[in-house]
Amino acid sequence: NAGVTQTPKFRVLKTGQSMTLLCAQDMNHEYMYWYRQDPGMGLRLIHYSVGEGTTAKGEVPDGYNVSRLKKQNFLLGLESAAPSQTSVYFCASSYEIRTSGTYTDTQYFGPGTRLTVL
Amino acid sequence: AQKITQTQPGMFVQEKEAVTLDCTYDTSDPSYGLFWYKQPSSGEMIFLIYQGSYDQQNATEGRYSLNFQKARKSANLVISASQLGDSAMYFCAMRGRSYQLTFGKGTKLSVIP
Repeated sequence: NAGVTQTPKFRVLKTGQSMTLLCAQDMNHEYMYWYRQDPGMGLRLIHYSVGEGTTAKGEVPDGYNVSRLKKQNFLLGLESAAPSQTSVYFCASSYEIRTSGTYTDTQYFGPGTRLTVL
Repeated sequence: AQKITQTQPGMFVQEKEAVTLDCTYDTSDPSYGLFWYKQPSSGEMIFLIYQGSYDQQNATEGRYSLNFQKARKSANLVISASQLGDSAMYFCAMRGRSYQLTFGKGTKLSVIP
């Protein structure tokens, strides 16, 4: 049981190049998320998915696209990388449990991808 | 909109002592969940503890406990008997009706031998 895995772990891009980050989870979770973490900041949500074939925008979606063709995979794409996208990217997954009207889904995170755009 | 505030950029604690990391939150959602994550220098995000807004008792997980004061909108993390391996960044986060987890900026905890 690997949990949440991310590929690649490190990547350096030149401005204008494109790339895809892959996230995979083996916990059969319905929900998956992409976050970015910048120095001195907490994580901010880029996009998320509540099921296979569905995606939605988070707090900072501009410059990114996502796809969820299979339940276990969530892809994050950068079509034309910019230096402002230099960051650490985390994928997470969860399933929703509502207990007494409260949302109790715990998000489990992958190890992160460190992306540098020159 | 949701907001998490962690006012302590850095904290020091002596090994084997207890430490409290502060977290205050703001939300208009009537029900919500509060989480604490640990991020060691290796970079991964590790889930520590969860508290639901309707939970009557404070959550505990081993050496971690969450001091939840709903009226004051605070959800402080208490680590008892600190260990050297507790040195890390700690993030408070909230989940309301939206699927997003809103994170604070974190507190860097350093445990001194």
